[in-house]
Amino acid sequence: AQSVTQLGSHVSVSEGALVLLRCNYSSSVPPYLFWYVQYPNQGLQLLLKYTSAATLVKGINGFEAEFKKSETSFHLTKPSAHMSDAAEYFCAVISSGNTPLVFGKGTRLSVIA
Amino acid sequence: GAVVSQHPSRVICKSGTSVKIECRSLDFQATTMFWYRQFPKQSLMLMATSNEGSKATYEQGVEKDKFLINHASLTLSTLTVTSAHPEDSSFYICSAPGGLADTQYFGPGTRLTVL
Repeated sequence: AQSVTQLGSHVSVSEGALVLLRCNYSSSVPPYLFWYVQYPNQGLQLLLKYTSAATLVKGINGFEAEFKKSETSFHLTKPSAHMSDAAEYFCAVISSGNTPLVFGKGTRLSVIA
Repeated sequence: GAVVSQHPSRVICKSGTSVKIECRSLDFQATTMFWYRQFPKQSLMLMATSNEGSKATYEQGVEKDKFLINHASLTLSTLTVTSAHPEDSSFYICSAPGGLADTQYFGPGTRLTVL
């Protein structure tokens, strides 16, 4: 069975500071990994996804994530936080096309002015 | 890109009534769709897998007689919450695979409030 673990249910950073949201995965097969963002009272928006093409994945809004097989990690980073980045972030994993995504518990990012 | 729509986006109903939520794939066919539920300040939890032309498969702990799923066509799946109660109040989201392992399209979600 696949799973993802997001370390830290709440992360708080100052505006302009580095954002680091942690995600570790467990999978018996090569995984496809995703990061989604959810703003209050809205649906999910895909930030980026890892599909084995490249270990460093760049996404929207300046976010990127690095797949590290040796550490079974897929942490999300952004060099400089903006107030508009405040939201809930979910890491998710899937093994094949017709199976559902398995989501982590989410990390709420707060950005302090 | 492919789009999945949900209707309604928001619904408020009285306890004991039934509510139907539609999930449509707008420009592609989806033989499978997934239904998730998200309680406030929690993550998305898979409720069931909707299969066109056959019965849905439900996750453990989800009452199939309460959450009726019908996948009537290759572009439409419906979730009916029967005899809704306040504890069913939640955000319901559907998704459909896009044909590749790295592609899933999510609907915008339906917020159900049961009074």
